[in-house]
Amino acid sequence: DAGVIQSPRHEVTEMGQEVTLRCKPISGHDYLFWYRQTMMRGLELLIYFNNNVPIDDSGMPEDRFSAKMPNASFSTLKIQPSEPRDSAVYFCASSLLGGGPAFFGQGTRLTVV
Amino acid sequence: GENVEQHPSTLSVQEGDSAVIKCTYSDSASNYFPWYKQELGKGPQLIIDIRSNVGEKKDQRIAVTLNKTAKHFSLHITETQPEDSAVYFCAASKAQAGTALIFGKGTTLSVSS
Repeated sequence: DAGVIQSPRHEVTEMGQEVTLRCKPISGHDYLFWYRQTMMRGLELLIYFNNNVPIDDSGMPEDRFSAKMPNASFSTLKIQPSEPRDSAVYFCASSLLGGGPAFFGQGTRLTVV
Repeated sequence: GENVEQHPSTLSVQEGDSAVIKCTYSDSASNYFPWYKQELGKGPQLIIDIRSNVGEKKDQRIAVTLNKTAKHFSLHITETQPEDSAVYFCAASKAQAGTALIFGKGTTLSVSS
């Protein structure tokens, strides 16, 4: 398996624009997680899914953030409208078991100018 | 919810020395404690983990210890090498409950030769 695949690797956008980040989890993994990494706050859990169903979205910072998982092999994280403070590295991870080992993608570095 | 504290935030050692990173967690129900290594521009990679029914686990030059009573766990790296230089994260979760990993803020380890 190629591991968790995220796209794009880098995204630069202007404030106010819509941004969509994409993730393909490891095949057979039932859990998918979205994390955000910044220097100040470290790795923050945004939302996670089990069998395509959102389980906990309490980490989503604002209504501008939304995430979907339409099927077992694809998830999106959308920010609309984007703001400069959303600049961060966004990671997707997947896990066979909830609470067990999670495997991370390479991340998407988002810059909002 | 779970809160994980990690210390120190930065650690500099000479090649061949040992390095120790410590974490504390708040939720006594947490029972799975992994450690991740993150190199520049990459996603976090699992290097070792421990479950609450075990007090210590070793894998070559790395070891993890767990004190459930005190709610803290540590990563020990012996005979450090320059390629050990990276950011290390600890995390905690409740495995059976299917929860997400909650991460500490990371330790930047620098090994000088």
